[in-house]
Amino acid sequence: VQLVQSGAEVKKPGASVKVSCKAFGNSFTDNSFHWVRQAPGQRPEWMGWINAGNGNTKYPHTLQGRINITRDSSASTAYMELSSLRSEDSAVYYCTTLVYDILTGYKYFDYWGQGTLVTVSS
Amino acid sequence: DIQMSQSPSSLSASVGDRVTITCRASQTIGDHLNWYQQKPGKAPKVLIYGASGLQGGVPSRFSGSGSGTDFALTITSLQPGDSATYYCQQSHSTPVTFGGGTKVEI
Repeated sequence: VQLVQSGAEVKKPGASVKVSCKAFGNSFTDNSFHWVRQAPGQRPEWMGWINAGNGNTKYPHTLQGRINITRDSSASTAYMELSSLRSEDSAVYYCTTLVYDILTGYKYFDYWGQGTLVTVSS
Repeated sequence: DIQMSQSPSSLSASVGDRVTITCRASQTIGDHLNWYQQKPGKAPKVLIYGASGLQGGVPSRFSGSGSGTDFALTITSLQPGDSATYYCQQSHSTPVTFGGGTKVEI
């Protein structure tokens, strides 16, 4: 699987940003797409995920109400939209797919997009 | 949420050295612990899953150990290309969370 993300964005505080992640390779609907962001010099932060097959989503409580992850199966593309942007949202945003080993229960992120830099500045 | 901490935050070692990075979870996570390597400007790359499983294509000088709350990543015979930041990540429960990272310089 290859994941290709949209380009860098510069947004003003209070605006929204929508980042896309197009998947090439295997069946799009077989995957779950997760979004992880990383501010400069900081640890990665998980932002949520979507089951590309049924569209179910889950978000951390810290972003509830501000984040919306969607998918367009016909375009093999997942989207992450973040609203009410503030300076602390400036980061590189990654989409990634999750491997889930049903026998062991192990889960880890395997394929990653190249990252999209989002800068929030007035 | 489960908090992950790593130590040290950075280290400097020589080619051929053995290096160990530790990771601690704020509550027990069994063996649901992954290790990633991240180089500047790149996405993280999984090295170890399930605390000790070596991801395909990853050199055998990388190994993981531990269970419960305490884990370790060991690199035997450090190579120049191993210069990177290493993160642990728990996949036991949502939200998944990452450690603060260990920057390895050679």
